[in-house]
Amino acid sequence: ETGVTQTPRHLVMGMTNKKSLKCEQHLGHNAMYWYKQSAKKPLELMFVYNFKEQTENNSVPSRFSPECPNSSHLFLHLHTLQPEDSALYLCASSQVGQPTGEQYFGPGTRLTVT
Amino acid sequence: AQTVTQSQPEMSVQEAETVTLSCTYDTSESDYYLFWYKQPPSRQMILVIRQEAYKQQNATENRFSVNFQKAAKSFSLKISDSQLGDAAMYFCAYRSGAGGGADGLTFGKGTHLIIQP
Repeated sequence: ETGVTQTPRHLVMGMTNKKSLKCEQHLGHNAMYWYKQSAKKPLELMFVYNFKEQTENNSVPSRFSPECPNSSHLFLHLHTLQPEDSALYLCASSQVGQPTGEQYFGPGTRLTVT
Repeated sequence: AQTVTQSQPEMSVQEAETVTLSCTYDTSESDYYLFWYKQPPSRQMILVIRQEAYKQQNATENRFSVNFQKAAKSFSLKISDSQLGDAAMYFCAYRSGAGGGADGLTFGKGTHLIIQP
């Protein structure tokens, strides 16, 4: 595997379900991010992890729970979601200390909440 | 808070022609970075080009170049010799330089680029 991978690519879940999204980066980076891309809003930052420590929570509802066990893996645990949470969830990684710190993205998980 | 504005929801260009996508941003910071990302129908976000705010020279990457006007807070993307594979959503993004490197990106709403054969 190369780059940033995300699983599953598509997920349909009911409002009472619990599911998790997984992201893995193979770039040796030390920072990871979750973004939400919905039809009606620009890409929104959700969470930032720097060396496994959460450094930013962009006022995300508690029904989204991130987990970063190491600098290569990032999870987004989902529970009791709402239909408006249906969106494309993108994971990204970057190397802290690199001058421009550009972020590399995974292919996303398309989430549909029914 | 920083904001990024892309005023062109959609642009169309003939194959082999040149097109310029506009982006303006608002910030009170002096240290920051700007990016253009491309998102084709596959939805994979691909980095196109990057610019450091402290550099006066405009970045170029093959057929892609930017016109960075720091005083005007403008960061446009020029695509030369447009190709069918350039068709995508293009997003302008801002990253603060104040957070030590692990800073989230602030995105514009995107410009849908159509390439006419």
